[in-house]
Amino acid sequence: GDSVTQMEGPVTLSEEAFLTINCTYTATGYPSLFWYVQYPGEGLQLLLKATKADDKGSNKGFEATYRKETTSFHLEKGSVQVSDSAVYFCAPWGSARQLTFGSGTQLTVLP
Amino acid sequence: DTGVSQDPRHKITKRGQNVTFRCDPISEHNRLYWYRQTLGQGPEFLTYFQNEAQLEKSRLLSDRFSAERPKGSFSTLEIQRTEQGDSAMYLCASSLGGGTTDTQYFGPGTRLTVL
Repeated sequence: GDSVTQMEGPVTLSEEAFLTINCTYTATGYPSLFWYVQYPGEGLQLLLKATKADDKGSNKGFEATYRKETTSFHLEKGSVQVSDSAVYFCAPWGSARQLTFGSGTQLTVLP
Repeated sequence: DTGVSQDPRHKITKRGQNVTFRCDPISEHNRLYWYRQTLGQGPEFLTYFQNEAQLEKSRLLSDRFSAERPKGSFSTLEIQRTEQGDSAMYLCASSLGGGTTDTQYFGPGTRLTVL
């Protein structure tokens, strides 16, 4: 079945630092790739997505590029804010017809 | 703009009791998903509906769990004879199915605590 490996957390950064959260996946077929963010006590919010190779998803300063050759979809942001503190989940959606999540990466941004 | 809503947001019950959760999807969405999330983990797929048809169920979904989506609108997830291991966040998501991708939008979740 599908699987995803994310950079282990927790990740702690100072405000305005550069963020990278690594994500690699295995999936049958040609999956779509998603990043979701979860704030404490809440459900998941869609952050960005990409549906084909070399597509770049972007939203709120976050970006991720679909790299089929390396089966990766790393999340980046040039300058993080305290309000970005949350848990981030990478998830492929493929022939299994369900999102497959890893354990997520906890990000804490300090002022 | 109304997103996915879930009710209740929190439920505390005693072991052995039955509980039922409700999910109202985004109105035009024909797919509806249930996931379970335990502390420190990512969500795990439980089941999904295309309109009123339940098309897939995870092996995680024991026979104490049942889900319905009458008339292809809201959905309910019932857990019978709850066990302490059922304590988790139950998340519902909906999507406009079709095509080669499926963008799911999540509700706020129902947190279940089984004492």
